[in-house]
Amino acid sequence: GAGVSQTPSNKVTEKGKYVELRCDPISGHTALYWYRQSLGQGPEFLIYFQGTGAADDSGLPNDRFFAVRPEGSVSTLKIQRTERGDSAVYLCASSSQAGPNYGYTFGSGTRLTVV
Amino acid sequence: GQQVMQIPQYQHVQEGEDFTTYCNSSTTLSNIQWYKQRPGGHPVFLIQLVKSGEVKKQKRLTFQFGEAKKNSSLHITATQTTDVGTYFCAGRRNYQLIWGAGTKLIIKP
Repeated sequence: GAGVSQTPSNKVTEKGKYVELRCDPISGHTALYWYRQSLGQGPEFLIYFQGTGAADDSGLPNDRFFAVRPEGSVSTLKIQRTERGDSAVYLCASSSQAGPNYGYTFGSGTRLTVV
Repeated sequence: GQQVMQIPQYQHVQEGEDFTTYCNSSTTLSNIQWYKQRPGGHPVFLIQLVKSGEVKKQKRLTFQFGEAKKNSSLHITATQTTDVGTYFCAGRRNYQLIWGAGTKLIIKP
């Protein structure tokens, strides 16, 4: 597509529920990143995919968070047993080359609210 | 671990005044990128600096990378209302970008 698409744009869920956030990167972009951003803060790295594999998942805060990219394009970030502290804007970005030597194109984000 | 500190947190200017934000890293950076985020929007890539002492310009925006590759600055000349937003620097660590906390540019009414 023309840009990075994220769905849903907003998600409100109850504490303890499971959520999935979807990212559709720019066609042909091999590198895909998930970040989350809290109000007044810069984006916080979660995970980086190169193709289908997670090249760096060191930013995932705990084992409730998991992400996949089975065919090397669309990615899904999965959060189990959501907690109120998970509330944030989850941003997906892609770039045409591996690694952050190139500028990212971000999607509009999914605003997750855990109540 | 590696941190990128960005100051100031906010800067209030009159339209037409200049604006500057500074980033400092605790370690040498391979490169540094700058992004702009409008209120309610997502970060938009502005530029990447790679070389020691590099200076790049985009119209009224001037970006600098320090000689030691540990600091960087963004200077906007004669701000306009369209410049409003938060400006982030982000330095490379392996495959990650380590982000500053951003400087919010506010135009006084």
